[in-house]
Amino acid sequence: QKEVEQNSGPLSVPEGAIASLNCTYSDRGSQSFFWYRQYSGKSPELIMFIYSNGDKEDGRFTAQLNKASQYVSLLIRDSQPSDSATYLCAVRVDNYGQNFVFGPGTRLSVLP
Amino acid sequence: DADVTQTPRNRITKTGKRIMLECSQTKGHDRMYWYRQDPGLGLRLIYYSFDVKDINKGEISDGYSVSRQAQAKFSLSLESAIPNQTALYFCATSDPLQGYYGYTFGSGTRLTVV
Repeated sequence: QKEVEQNSGPLSVPEGAIASLNCTYSDRGSQSFFWYRQYSGKSPELIMFIYSNGDKEDGRFTAQLNKASQYVSLLIRDSQPSDSATYLCAVRVDNYGQNFVFGPGTRLSVLP
Repeated sequence: DADVTQTPRNRITKTGKRIMLECSQTKGHDRMYWYRQDPGLGLRLIYYSFDVKDINKGEISDGYSVSRQAQAKFSLSLESAIPNQTALYFCATSDPLQGYYGYTFGSGTRLTVV
């Protein structure tokens, strides 16, 4: 059973701080990793993906991947109240079918 | 109009009833998926389809069936609804051949079985 784990939160950070969201996965052969943001009652939207070890930056978001430790994280710099949402980590487990295993999500609350 | 449209948005149905959830997309993606989301459990794959003639079971297909009527349409049916099928259901599309490796999700259908 391939698993993806996340702390459910809520993770509370003050406005302007760095929010750090973590995800671990069980399948050492996993190759690609995705972060989705989901506002309450809405559908998930893709914000970043990463394939290679190290950091990948996109605006205020940085994804970090460490395949040896089977760990992927998402950093949000200068957090804003509009970043308050649930963040889903997804690991691609089937290269042909492009199927994913999703973590349960971490709820982030950015306090004004 | 949304790229991926799900109908209905909300539905309350009784135990034992057959219900169909519909999904249509304008993305031109070949691959379509049905997921359910339950609190604390994340998104779980029910069925997926690579094209009209290719339907595959996902992690939790028991009690569900699907139909891919066209490239753009993928329907999910609950043959005899039961209360533990109460959940938020999402349709999603993708097409890595177009360079899009993530999913585009529909807006979801909130289903309640009483």
